[in-house]
Amino acid sequence: GENVEQHPSTLSVQEGDSAVIKCTYSDSASNYFPWYKQELGKRPQLIIDIRSNVGEKKDQRIAVTLNKTAKHFSLHITETQPEDSAVYFCAPNSGNTPLVFGKGTRLSVIA
Amino acid sequence: EPEVTQTPSHQVTQMGQEVILRCVPISNHLYFYWYRQILGQKVEFLVSFYNNEISEKSEIFDDQFSVERPDGSNFTLKIRSTKLEDSAMYFCASSQKWGNLYEQYFGPGTRLTVT
Repeated sequence: GENVEQHPSTLSVQEGDSAVIKCTYSDSASNYFPWYKQELGKRPQLIIDIRSNVGEKKDQRIAVTLNKTAKHFSLHITETQPEDSAVYFCAPNSGNTPLVFGKGTRLSVIA
Repeated sequence: EPEVTQTPSHQVTQMGQEVILRCVPISNHLYFYWYRQILGQKVEFLVSFYNNEISEKSEIFDDQFSVERPDGSNFTLKIRSTKLEDSAMYFCASSQKWGNLYEQYFGPGTRLTVT
């Protein structure tokens, strides 16, 4: 089955700085790479995803980059704001398997 | 925008009791899931459901668990005899399709506390 690792487990940045979270996976069949944001006590919410036929996708301050050869993908948040503080999970899958979540990265944006 | 809904938001039960957690998936979705999240830990897959039957289940989903779609809208998770370690947040999710990489939408969760 899929083995998913996220780094770092916690990340503190100053408001306005960038944050990068990396996710490595083991299943070479994975071809769908979403990132979820979870605020305290709330549901995971999909913030960005990428399919395996592209290397990068951007949506305003958020971007995801994929390196299929190395089996990792990263979440990039630029110009961080306090409301970006949350736990972020990656959940790679092949579309025929359930989401396998990483252990999460707790991002704290310090004003 | 349509959302997945779940009831109750919080359920407290005694060890050994049966609980039923309810979910109403997004109306045109065909694939349904239950996940759980123990406090402070990652989200874990329990079971997926399509066409009125289980598609896949994890090792967590043992004989104490069952799922049902009793009517055209509800999707339920039953825990037959709860244990202390079943205390967690349970999330229902739904998606339009399975094999075509459609995103899963999560409900707000039910916090289950077993005492």
